[in-house]
Amino acid sequence: DAKTTQPTSMDCAEGRAANLPCNHSTISGNEYVYWYRQIHSQGPQYIIHGLKNNETNEMASLIITEDRKSSTLILPHATLRDTAVYYCIVRPFGQAGTALIFGKGTTLSVSS
Amino acid sequence: GAVVSQHPSWVICKSGTSVKIECRSLDFQATTMFWYRQFPKQSLMLMATSNEGSKATYEQGVEKDKFLINHASLTLSTLTVTSAHPEDSSFYICSAREAGYSAGANVLTFGAGSRLTVL
Repeated sequence: DAKTTQPTSMDCAEGRAANLPCNHSTISGNEYVYWYRQIHSQGPQYIIHGLKNNETNEMASLIITEDRKSSTLILPHATLRDTAVYYCIVRPFGQAGTALIFGKGTTLSVSS
Repeated sequence: GAVVSQHPSWVICKSGTSVKIECRSLDFQATTMFWYRQFPKQSLMLMATSNEGSKATYEQGVEKDKFLINHASLTLSTLTVTSAHPEDSSFYICSAREAGYSAGANVLTFGAGSRLTVL
């Protein structure tokens, strides 16, 4: 699987947009980008995933560059409850029976 | 959406005893479940893949005789930590694939986790 690189930590003011980058320069054609987050002492939560087109759901937007070597997760109006560790994971589509491997992620701190 | 329930949420046990953690998919069937372990300030580490009706597949370095996994039905997988020791104290998390997404999508639903403290 392609390796991902994320900043260790980021800060964001409440109400502002949080933009979390992820570098996956070795991504291959059949690999999707997945984002999960883990709020302290809870299990991870799925946020969004995409292949090459930008995606949006009720939680966030995912912007993938045209060359697919990097992506950005956008939380449009961050709240204190969005403080969590955010994980960017690249996995091939079609391997539904295989686990997700987590890196160190980005610790997002939202403050008032 | 899909829900994965873990029980117990936290457990304290004496060294040498065994502890069982249950993982249930509440509204969907899961032929495959995954068990992770997380130490403080570290990321999740995959321990094993649990397949319904067959033996679990353990990651390198995980002792299969110490961490017994049983996946007897399509909605239940259990992890038993046998002869627990203080170094087994950790946050154990299970997950299963959410059925609502297309077959190839790696969208997993995670349980809330079980915190084990071995005295």
